[in-house]
Amino acid sequence: NAGVTQTPKFQVLKTGQSMTLQCAQDMNHEYMSWYRQDPGMGLRLIHYSVGAGITDQGEVPNGYNVSRSTTEDFPLRLLSAAPSQTSVYFCASSSVGTSGRRVEQFFGPGTRLTVL
Amino acid sequence: SQKIEQNSEALNIQEGKTATLTCNYTNYSPAYLQWYRQDPGRGPVFLLLIRENEKEKRKERLKVTFDTTLKQSLFHITASQPADSATYLCALVGFSGGYNKLIFGAGTRLAVHP
Repeated sequence: NAGVTQTPKFQVLKTGQSMTLQCAQDMNHEYMSWYRQDPGMGLRLIHYSVGAGITDQGEVPNGYNVSRSTTEDFPLRLLSAAPSQTSVYFCASSSVGTSGRRVEQFFGPGTRLTVL
Repeated sequence: SQKIEQNSEALNIQEGKTATLTCNYTNYSPAYLQWYRQDPGRGPVFLLLIRENEKEKRKERLKVTFDTTLKQSLFHITASQPADSATYLCALVGFSGGYNKLIFGAGTRLAVHP
């Protein structure tokens, strides 16, 4: 099992450019999410999905779009990059959490994005 | 608003001692609390989960306590080793619409010196 994979590892964009961060998991997890991590702040949830075709906004969704056409893939799109989106982005997956089930999240290695 | 606080200053301890990290929260009633380890340049890795009705959980050299009255969790690493040096994140888990949502603290960096 590769677990959760993310591409690219590093990316530099100019303000106004768009791009897609890729995320894939091979654990057949229903739940996938995108976080951003900034210095001195906790991981903040951008968007999440509870299954193919179902997505919802997290804490900081503005400027980002997601879709979930398959169980395995959950890409994150930056529509028009801004310097405030300079961050490290993590994708995570887990099985659906209900009472008594394990709800640990498996994280990818991250994408370090710089917007100039 | 919901808030999680972890010591922002690094914790420096000597090898062999017990490291104790603190996670405090406000305006939240989590169903679970989790601890993760994060090494530089890597994603967080799950360590332990403790439920609201559990007082203590152990896994090898790790021990977590959860006091819902104090709204606090303590994370202990006994007989610490330099390899334990990392940033440790706590995360509160609540259920929204039947699915788990995590709120993370900023993490505490632990440095274990030989």
